[in-house]
Amino acid sequence: EMKLVESGGGLVQPGGSLRLSCAASGFTFSSYEVNWVRQAPGKGLEWVSYISSSGRTIYYADSVKGRFTISRDNAKNLMYLQMNSLRAEDTAVYYCARGYCSGGTCYRFDPWGQGTLVTVSS
Amino acid sequence: DIQMTQSPSSLSASVGDRVTITCRASQSIRNYLHWYQQKPGEAPKLLIYEASSLQSGVPLRFSGSASGTDFTLTISSLQPEDFATYYCQQSYRTPPTFGQGTKVEI
Repeated sequence: EMKLVESGGGLVQPGGSLRLSCAASGFTFSSYEVNWVRQAPGKGLEWVSYISSSGRTIYYADSVKGRFTISRDNAKNLMYLQMNSLRAEDTAVYYCARGYCSGGTCYRFDPWGQGTLVTVSS
Repeated sequence: DIQMTQSPSSLSASVGDRVTITCRASQSIRNYLHWYQQKPGEAPKLLIYEASSLQSGVPLRFSGSASGTDFTLTISSLQPEDFATYYCQQSYRTPPTFGQGTKVEI
């Protein structure tokens, strides 16, 4: 069974940093693209970032560009999201999701992890 | 960015009802439109991909269709476990974007 498990969420002050992890199992992690998607409390879904299977291609949403860094360690089946200069509006549940490719992009999200909550507050 | 507009934002229905949710893209996305179901406290789950293909394991009462930039998710006979929020999402261009969601309530 393909499975993704996020960790690393918590309470952080505005301007602070946090690193999220996403552990993959049940599939050949190094062969797949992965994404981060977030959901603010009571709100809809917002794509955050994408990393290709090799790690050579990376994209970010404008809302996090310059503050967040996505990376992966295929030897450990892990993906990371380093979040710096955090703002109140970054408060959300962060999900990692495998990106299935079709039509030249890899944004069909399946499966998803259970999510990890990040709260930015003083 | 491609804007995805879902309607309605919420609806009330009964078990056994036929339910239709629509999603309109601000430009052509071909058929790169996916539907997700999210229940409270859970992660989203892929239901329909590329407008009309049923994800493995998803009940046959779920179906999707497309007409130009308009997409439809239909639940033919609503079941108790279908009460949830449904999102459409385009994967045609970066950034991928979601509709605002449709909450299906009793």
